[in-house]
Order: sequence, then structure tokens, then C-alpha cells
Amino acid sequence: DTAVSQTPKYLVTQMGNDKSIKCEQNLGHDTMYWYKQDSKKFLKIMFSYNNKELIINETVPNRFSPKSPDKAHLNLHINSLELGDSAVYFCASSQEGYRGEGYTFGSGTRLTVV
Amino acid sequence: AQSVTQLGSHVSVSEGALVLLRCNYSSSVPPYLFWYVQYPNQGLQLLLKYTTGATLVKGINGFEAEFKKSETSFHLTKPSAHMSDAAEYFCAGSSGNTPLVFGKGTRLSVIA
Repeated sequence: DTAVSQTPKYLVTQMGNDKSIKCEQNLGHDTMYWYKQDSKKFLKIMFSYNNKELIINETVPNRFSPKSPDKAHLNLHINSLELGDSAVYFCASSQEGYRGEGYTFGSGTRLTVV
Repeated sequence: AQSVTQLGSHVSVSEGALVLLRCNYSSSVPPYLFWYVQYPNQGLQLLLKYTTGATLVKGINGFEAEFKKSETSFHLTKPSAHMSDAAEYFCAGSSGNTPLVFGKGTRLSVIA
């Protein structure tokens, strides 16, 4: 069983569209995250969701909105997609919040905006 | 705030040679430190971690790292490189109050 699963794995869409990426973890972790990896491989935190508290990174445009229906799911919705949104998006989870014993990452969603 | 710096965006070693990937951290509180590996078109896999206790940490695939508070370093080593070790390596850290922060990554190439 995949511990952290993301769908879809690849997403190609046109500018201006709205898209969602889904993430589910079956590890029983209490904290989930979205990271963005740019073309230079740099990983940057976008959001974290810990015990129903959403922590928003100030550098993330408000076109990005995370939604967590329950502790095991953290989805990412993106409105009005732009070329610069093209990247690989990783979902992750950890136990005991930020002090987690290492984060478990999904396999990533490669988003290409054309 | 926690920050992590990886020295060298690309390291090339011969097969069988020592692997040394450098990582320095800055933090006002004791850090939690990790090394992750990313193979092409894949997610991140945890290699090893330092939270508390022993400063020499052993991980998977023969890798180890030593936490040196006096040098604010957490360098990753492996005595003998294999071709299969070629990948992107990320050092990451957290002070415990914020999400994990990653270094910019080091691409390891292994030459036959």
C-alpha cells in the first residue's frame, strides 16, 4: 500500500484553467504539507495543515487553496493557472507535527501549464 | 529561523570512491536534520535523520551523517560509491516550530 498517494501523476493544462491535485495518506499522521519543486529542483513549503490548523505561506498566491476534508486528505486547488505554476508538487505527511520523525513524501504531480 | 545550506550543486565521484556531500544549518535552537534522496522522476526518500541522541547517524544504502554542533554541520558520507547512488540529495532541517526547510540540493554523479 502506498503511504502517501497523489493524483494525478501528470497534469497538462492551459493557462487560465482551474485544476486540483489530490493527496491521501494512510499512515495515521496528524500533519500534512504541500511542497513545490521548481525547475532547479528547489523545494519550497507552500502549506502545512496540523490538527485542523492551516498554516499559509505568505509567498503563495491566493490562487492556491488547500482543502482538508479530514486528517488523511489534503487537496490542492489552483485557480487561473499561469505558466509560472509549472512545477512538481509534492504532498507529504508527518507524525507529531513539525518535529516529525521525517516526512513521508508522495511521488509528486508534474504540472505543466501551456 | 531554520535555514539549510548545501555546498556544491554538483558532486562527481568515481565508483568506489568516498562520497561527501556537505550541509550546514543555521538555527537558534537545536535542530532536527534530515537527508533525502531523489531519483529521476521520483519522490523523496528518507536516507537518515538526526533528532536527539547519538550524533553519528546511520541510514539506508550505506550512508551516514554526523551532527557537529560546533561546526553547525550535518555532512553526508558513504565510504564507497556505487553507480546506483547517482541521484539528487537534499539536506533538510526544522527547529520543531516550522515545517521542514530544504537546501537547494546536490546532484551526485558516479563515474565508472
